[in-house]
Amino acid sequence: NAGVTQTPKFRVLKTGQSMTLLCAQDMNHEYMYWYRQDPGMGLRLIHYSVGEGTTAKGEVPDGYNVSRLKKQNFLLGLESAAPSQTSVYFCASSGRRTGELFFGEGSRLTVL
Amino acid sequence: AQRVTQPEKLLSVFKGAPVELKCNYSYSGSPELFWYVQYSRQRLQLLLRHISRESIKGFTADLNKGETSFHLKKPFAQEEDSAMYYCALGGGSNYKLTFGKGTLLTVNP
Repeated sequence: NAGVTQTPKFRVLKTGQSMTLLCAQDMNHEYMYWYRQDPGMGLRLIHYSVGEGTTAKGEVPDGYNVSRLKKQNFLLGLESAAPSQTSVYFCASSGRRTGELFFGEGSRLTVL
Repeated sequence: AQRVTQPEKLLSVFKGAPVELKCNYSYSGSPELFWYVQYSRQRLQLLLRHISRESIKGFTADLNKGETSFHLKKPFAQEEDSAMYYCALGGGSNYKLTFGKGTLLTVNP
């Protein structure tokens, strides 16, 4: 039972490069989320989705785009990476509104 | 706007001592409060939620709407309790959980 899987787990980018983080869940959850975790800042919501084909902005959406073409997948894209986007990114899913969130292992991104 | 405040970034106690991790929230509706924990090299996971009113791993938390608090308590800390603890707030028509900045608990032998 994989739960929530994130790929890649580690990535180093140069400023201006683009990349996509993939989140996949096998629990048939409606809700999916992308958070970033920074020292002293806790977890901050980037974008979220309440169902296939829908996305919404969270607390810190600038510089990121997302897509939810399939219910089980939630993609986070960085079109032009900046050093301020160096962070650990967590994907999470939930079976109901504000229910228990199930998290992935995290993806550590470094932008040089 | 909803906000979660965890005033302590770091908390260090000795094994067997009581521990209390503070959490205060700001929310205009009916809140749902959670505590999440992240042990070293493990995924962030739910520890407990206020509606369950249960004790998990010896931890309890009571929602105090008058003081807008949801402090996490354990009477006798164990070394394996060392972890990062996050308080989270949701509720109402909200699809999102807002997390506090976290408290790193260290239980010393």
